[in-house]
Amino acid sequence: AQSVTQLGSHVSVSEGALVLLRCNYSSSVPPYLFWYVQYPNQGLQLLLKYTSAATLVKGINGFEAEFKKSETSFHLTKPSAHMSDAAEYFCAVSEPGTYKYIFGTGTRLKVLA
Amino acid sequence: DAMVIQNPRYQVTQFGKPVTLSCSQTLNHNVMYWYQQKSSQAPKLLFHYYDKDFNNEADTPDNFQSRRPNTSFCFLDIRSPGLGDAAMYLCATTPGGRMTDTQYFGPGTRLTVL
Repeated sequence: AQSVTQLGSHVSVSEGALVLLRCNYSSSVPPYLFWYVQYPNQGLQLLLKYTSAATLVKGINGFEAEFKKSETSFHLTKPSAHMSDAAEYFCAVSEPGTYKYIFGTGTRLKVLA
Repeated sequence: DAMVIQNPRYQVTQFGKPVTLSCSQTLNHNVMYWYQQKSSQAPKLLFHYYDKDFNNEADTPDNFQSRRPNTSFCFLDIRSPGLGDAAMYLCATTPGGRMTDTQYFGPGTRLTVL
């Protein structure tokens, strides 16, 4: 069965500092992984996704993530945090043989001035 | 250019009074999903449709029903809302058919039960 684990339900960084949000996956088959962002009282929006084409994936708003099979990880990074990055971030994996997606429990990012 | 639209954005209902939430999409996607999301939690899948084929999650309460009269519209009916059903309800779509499909989410409907 597929699963994703997000370490750290809350992460705080200073404006301009590196953002690192962690996601580890468990999968019996090559996974397809996603990062979504959710702003308050909004739906989720795709930041980026891993589709096996490239291990380093660049997304919107300056975010990127690297797929590391040896570490079963797909951590999300951004070199320099901006106040507008404050939001909830969800890692997800698609479930083989279904049209379903398994979400992690989310990480709330706070950006300090 | 709204692609997944949810109405209303905020809904207040009384305990036990039926309520219907609606979702429409302009993407012509085959798959539509309903999620329940409580505060600071991951979205929880309630059910999804591939075209008219309905798929219910095993732990979705019978109190929750859904209809998809055509490709564009999908409804979530809560027959007798309880206080525990207060949540954000998210509709999402995918083209369907590939595990790499992106989910497109609507803005959500926040349900309050008094």
